[in-house]
Amino acid sequence: GENVEQHPSTLSVQEGDSAVIKCTYSDSASNYFPWYKQELGKRPQLIIDIRSNVGEKKDQRIAVTLNKTAKHFSLHITETQPEDSAVYFCAAHSSSSGGYNKLIFGAGTRLAVHP
Amino acid sequence: GAVVSQHPSWVICKSGTSVKIECRSLDFQATTMFWYRQFPKQSLMLMATSNEGSKATYEQGVEKDKFLINHASLTLSTLTVTSAHPEDSSFYICSATRILGLAGDEQYFGPGTRLTVT
Repeated sequence: GENVEQHPSTLSVQEGDSAVIKCTYSDSASNYFPWYKQELGKRPQLIIDIRSNVGEKKDQRIAVTLNKTAKHFSLHITETQPEDSAVYFCAAHSSSSGGYNKLIFGAGTRLAVHP
Repeated sequence: GAVVSQHPSWVICKSGTSVKIECRSLDFQATTMFWYRQFPKQSLMLMATSNEGSKATYEQGVEKDKFLINHASLTLSTLTVTSAHPEDSSFYICSATRILGLAGDEQYFGPGTRLTVT
């Protein structure tokens, strides 16, 4: 079945450093790749997404890159701040037999930003 | 925009009883909603897809007779955990799909329901 692998599972950085999280997906038909940030006990929040017609997208300190040939995409956070500490999930759209798109999630990366 | 609510936010029930969780899209219509379960320090596991006006589609390994889903309207889906057992204790999160037209669609999550079965 469809699968999304995410690495690393934990990431610890100093405030101001950059953080990179990488994901690979198996469904070559996937065309939408969102990233979610989840704080403890709260809902996942969409922070950035990318569709297959572009290779890179940036929003202030957050950027996402997509390599469709290699079937991998990455999240880049620059100038990290303590409030960036959370669990980050990547996801990939996967078409179902019913014709709708469902999201397949990676296992998550626990990011800790130390002051 | 794109607000999804979920009720209740937490519930404690006794083993053998049933619990209903509601998921509502407040400012958009959602023909498709999804139900996830998340155990501590784990990822979101898709349980089923709720489609307005038709039967839900369950993921492999999810018992449809135990987790009843009803998509009553374009803004409401409910998940009923029947004959709950302690191993059903988890964080249940719904999401609703907002159609962006030619731009595709986006999923927005509810705040989750923490279920504890004693």
